[in-house]
Amino acid sequence: NAGVTQTPKFQVLKTGQSMTLQCAQDMNHNSMYWYRQDPGMGLRLIYYSASEGTTDKGEVPNGYNVSRLNKREFSLRLESAAPSQTSVYFCASRETGTGNEKLFFGSGTQLSVL
Amino acid sequence: DQQVKQNSPSLSVQEGRISILNCDYTNSMFDYFLWYKKYPAEGPTFLISISSIKDKNEDGRFTVFLNKSAKHLSLHIVPSQPGDSAVYFCAASARAFGNEKLTFGTGTRLTIIP
Repeated sequence: NAGVTQTPKFQVLKTGQSMTLQCAQDMNHNSMYWYRQDPGMGLRLIYYSASEGTTDKGEVPNGYNVSRLNKREFSLRLESAAPSQTSVYFCASRETGTGNEKLFFGSGTQLSVL
Repeated sequence: DQQVKQNSPSLSVQEGRISILNCDYTNSMFDYFLWYKKYPAEGPTFLISISSIKDKNEDGRFTVFLNKSAKHLSLHIVPSQPGDSAVYFCAASARAFGNEKLTFGTGTRLTIIP
């Protein structure tokens, strides 16, 4: 039972470089999310996808793009990384239509931008 | 604008005693609340939830209390165990108004002293 799988676990980038964080879930969930966690800020929503083929902005979308490749996969792209994007990134998924608000999280990606 | 607030960044409790973690919210549209637990280098995991139609929900050693008039909820852990040492996040959503995104607090680091 893999649940939500994120890759890579760690990444160091130079300012201006680009990269894509990958996320896949095997629970057949409709909704998927990308959060970032920063000290003293809690978890903040970057983007989410309520269903395959749809994406919407969250609280802090600037500097990011997302792709809902299919029902299983939801990727987060940094086109030109900035030091302010140094953070821990979490992907999550949720079953919808049941009133169940419970999010299932991946183990996170620690990103440092120098 | 922090809509979900956890004003205590850290809390230390003796093993066997009660741990009480607090959370306040400002958005009166929130009608569903959850607590998540997070260990280092892992993603958050769901702990317990409560709907606004209730004022208490219990699951084993964990009980969540909701005071809607005060816009306050608390998580009680009795008795506290060393394995409870983690960061706890409070989260809220406004399901009745079509907003199914979770808004997280900043977290409280709980340390259980053996």
